[in-house]
Amino acid sequence: EAQVTQNPRYLITVTGKKLTVTCSQNMNHEYMSWYRQDPGLGLRQIYYSMNVEVTDKGDVPEGYKVSRKEKRNFPLILESPSPNQTSLYFCASSKRAWQPQHFGDGTRLSIL
Amino acid sequence: KNEVEQSPQNLTAQEGEFITINCSYSVGISALHWLQQHPGGGIVSLFMLSSGKKKHGRLIATINIQEKHSSLHITASHPRDSAVYICAASSNFGNEKLTFGTGTRLTIIP
Repeated sequence: EAQVTQNPRYLITVTGKKLTVTCSQNMNHEYMSWYRQDPGLGLRQIYYSMNVEVTDKGDVPEGYKVSRKEKRNFPLILESPSPNQTSLYFCASSKRAWQPQHFGDGTRLSIL
Repeated sequence: KNEVEQSPQNLTAQEGEFITINCSYSVGISALHWLQQHPGGGIVSLFMLSSGKKKHGRLIATINIQEKHSSLHITASHPRDSAVYICAASSNFGNEKLTFGTGTRLTIIP
């Protein structure tokens, strides 16, 4: 089954404790992206990757890191999480940005 | 001003009504996406279009490139159509950024 898998689905943690949210896709897609969704602000792009070893900033990259060492994986790293990064996060993939996106189920992060 | 604007923000209608959700954008785009997010949170891609019109079942999406405007229509609306509908623009400025509208919350009353 074609899917985008994010882990964990839920996480409560404390300020400053490094965390990684994993994202994996099995559709051989070149394009992968991370978004955060906040009430009143909608979805905002954090980082995206057009292919292996090619990443670029979205609209809200501060406080996040990404890497794309393999085509299928695109982890999101919060080196020193802060409460303003409490949000619902989505990973998505597609062949290219202008083609239909496949979304993961979301990760709800709470930073205390 | 957001580069992608949706209207209305909230829409409540009776079952069977014809629904229109609008999306205007101020940037050059390579494609316009319409997404659906149900209360459980999952996001599904409904349409991706760069010109003209697309139809899938009771859903129709149109885009006018000159006016930088897209609409999502739902015919014979049903309570199961209740969801948040989001439009997103793929940039054509040599990058592959996506910019989203803030969404339209649709509620269909039986």
